[in-house]
Amino acid sequence: AQTVTQSQPEMSVQEAETVTLSCTYDTSESDYYLFWYKQPPSRQMILVIRQEAYKQQNATENRFSVNFQKAAKSFSLKISDSQLGDAAMYFCASSQDRYSGGGADGLTFGKGTHLIIQP
Amino acid sequence: GAVVSQHPSRVICKSGTSVKIECRSLDFQATTMFWYRQFPKQSLMLMATSNEGSKATYEQGVEKDKFLINHASLTLSTLTVTSAHPEDSSFYICSAAYRRGPVDTQYFGPGTRLTVL
Repeated sequence: AQTVTQSQPEMSVQEAETVTLSCTYDTSESDYYLFWYKQPPSRQMILVIRQEAYKQQNATENRFSVNFQKAAKSFSLKISDSQLGDAAMYFCASSQDRYSGGGADGLTFGKGTHLIIQP
Repeated sequence: GAVVSQHPSRVICKSGTSVKIECRSLDFQATTMFWYRQFPKQSLMLMATSNEGSKATYEQGVEKDKFLINHASLTLSTLTVTSAHPEDSSFYICSAAYRRGPVDTQYFGPGTRLTVL
């Protein structure tokens, strides 16, 4: 079984600043995928970034990047140049699917971090 | 591309009635769909995995007779909450796995808010 822990219920950042959201996980698998999903007030889940556990290089997507520490089972999300549209709940998630990108297996989610952007 | 819809978006029903929620992949075929439940201000919990043409796989603790899942085609999965009770009130979200290149990605529907009176 996998568990995902997000210890920050809420974070606040000034617009244009950088913020880091924390996530730790536990799994007995050697290969797995990790994700950050964004859930704005519309409740629509949006994939922000995906990390393959066997890749040491940290994933990046424009202003979003991760710090993946496999030994520590840590997977934090850094948002640079925060924008008002980044305000949302952010969920860290893991998948045991090791063959097809992590999308073919049910995801295990953390409890989420509510990100507030101060204008 | 990769749009998933849910219908209805909101439903209110009386205790004891059954409610059906539809999940459709609009522009792709999905051999696998998932159903999640999200309580207020909480995480998403996987309820079941739905594969086209076969029985759904339920997570531990999810009553399969209470939450009936049917994956009738490659673009449609339905969740029926049978004999609903107030404790079944929740936000139900589906997702569908879509392969783009070498990887599958789960695309989520907008969710259905169920309120049982």
